[in-house]
Amino acid sequence: NAGVTQTPKFQVLKTGQSMTLQCAQDMNHEYMSWYRQDPGMGLRLIHYSVGAGITDQGEVPNGYNVSRSTTEDFPLRLLSAAPSQTSVYFCASSRDDDTGELFFGEGSRLTVL
Amino acid sequence: GNSVTQMEGPVTLSEEAFLTINCTYTATGYPSLFWYVQYPGEGLQLLLKATKADDKGSNKGFEATYRKETTSFHLEKGSVQVSDSAVYFCALRDNYGQNFVFGPGTRLSVLP
Repeated sequence: NAGVTQTPKFQVLKTGQSMTLQCAQDMNHEYMSWYRQDPGMGLRLIHYSVGAGITDQGEVPNGYNVSRSTTEDFPLRLLSAAPSQTSVYFCASSRDDDTGELFFGEGSRLTVL
Repeated sequence: GNSVTQMEGPVTLSEEAFLTINCTYTATGYPSLFWYVQYPGEGLQLLLKATKADDKGSNKGFEATYRKETTSFHLEKGSVQVSDSAVYFCALRDNYGQNFVFGPGTRLSVLP
């Protein structure tokens, strides 16, 4: 029962470095998404995808890229990390209907120095 | 647009006390409603859900009823335990789009 798997769990970057947060799910979910969680801000949607080859922006997309080449994988790329991107990132997936709940990964804590 | 409002807390209760966390929403159409729980250092887990008006979701002693007339989905538990200490998020998923909207979360601390 793997569910949603995120890697790495912890990462420290320097300003300007790039990196990719990996996300994979084994539930054959069409819908996948990335959130960031900051103190006092709740969860904010970064990008989402409703199927392979389809991605769209959420509430806070700037500084992040995504792609969806397969149903299983939905990586999040930081092109040039900034201290404002220090956060905890969660990947989540769901059935592609309006009653399906989100299944979350365990989170990735990113610090940008 | 869609939105979820919930009491932000923190809420501090003694063990065996009654818990209510209020949640109200604004949405077009007929959204599905959810409560998620986040224990320290972990991701969010689904606690319960309701997909249509008057439905009651329940799990682990927690309950919430989908009230369309008051656009509310308040979370209740009759007797909280120390192990219930966590952050609770109310959320909706509308039936026009695909995305979820989360409330800001309510931190609950239960003291022995």
